[in-house]
Amino acid sequence: GENVEQHPSTLSVQEGDSAVIKCTYSDSASNYFPWYKQELGKRPQLIIDIRSNVGEKKDQRIAVTLNKTAKHFSLHITETQPEDSAVYFCAASIVGGNEKLTFGTGTRLTIIP
Amino acid sequence: GAVVSQHPSWVICKSGTSVKIECRSLDFQATTMFWYRQFPKQSLMLMATSNEGSKATYEQGVEKDKFLINHASLTLSTLTVTSAHPEDSSFYICSRLRLAGAFDNEQFFGPGTRLTVL
Repeated sequence: GENVEQHPSTLSVQEGDSAVIKCTYSDSASNYFPWYKQELGKRPQLIIDIRSNVGEKKDQRIAVTLNKTAKHFSLHITETQPEDSAVYFCAASIVGGNEKLTFGTGTRLTIIP
Repeated sequence: GAVVSQHPSWVICKSGTSVKIECRSLDFQATTMFWYRQFPKQSLMLMATSNEGSKATYEQGVEKDKFLINHASLTLSTLTVTSAHPEDSSFYICSRLRLAGAFDNEQFFGPGTRLTVL
């Protein structure tokens, strides 16, 4: 089955600086890669996603890049703000297949004011 | 607004009792729903895929006789933790797909149920 690795596990960034979180996946059939933000005790919230036919996607301060050959994808947050502090999870699944999400281990992002 | 609800939001029970958690799709009929478990400071782990009108598909290592899933209608899936023990204490979250179809499989998550077994 799919295995998703995520790094780093914790990340502290000065407010206004950029944060980058990286994930690798093992199943070359995976074609959908969402990123979730989860605050303590809350449900995961989708912040951005990318499909395998696209190499990069951007939504305001958030961007995701995908390298299918290397089987890795990354989340980039620019101009970080204190409200960006949360746990971020990457995930992978196969659209049109079993649709199951396999999550990475999570990154606790702390923005230092 | 929320499209997936869960009930209860938290529950405390004694060891050996059974607990039922409901997951409702509020705005869309869902033939497939998913159940995840999240231990403190850990990631979400898929437990099973709930299929309306048929048996659930369980992930490797998840005991189907302990975690009973029923998906009797297109808007409701239930997870029953039978004979709960302290090690079953966790955050249980359900989800459904945004739409069934190619290239549109964003998952909407319920708010989660915090289970504490004493």
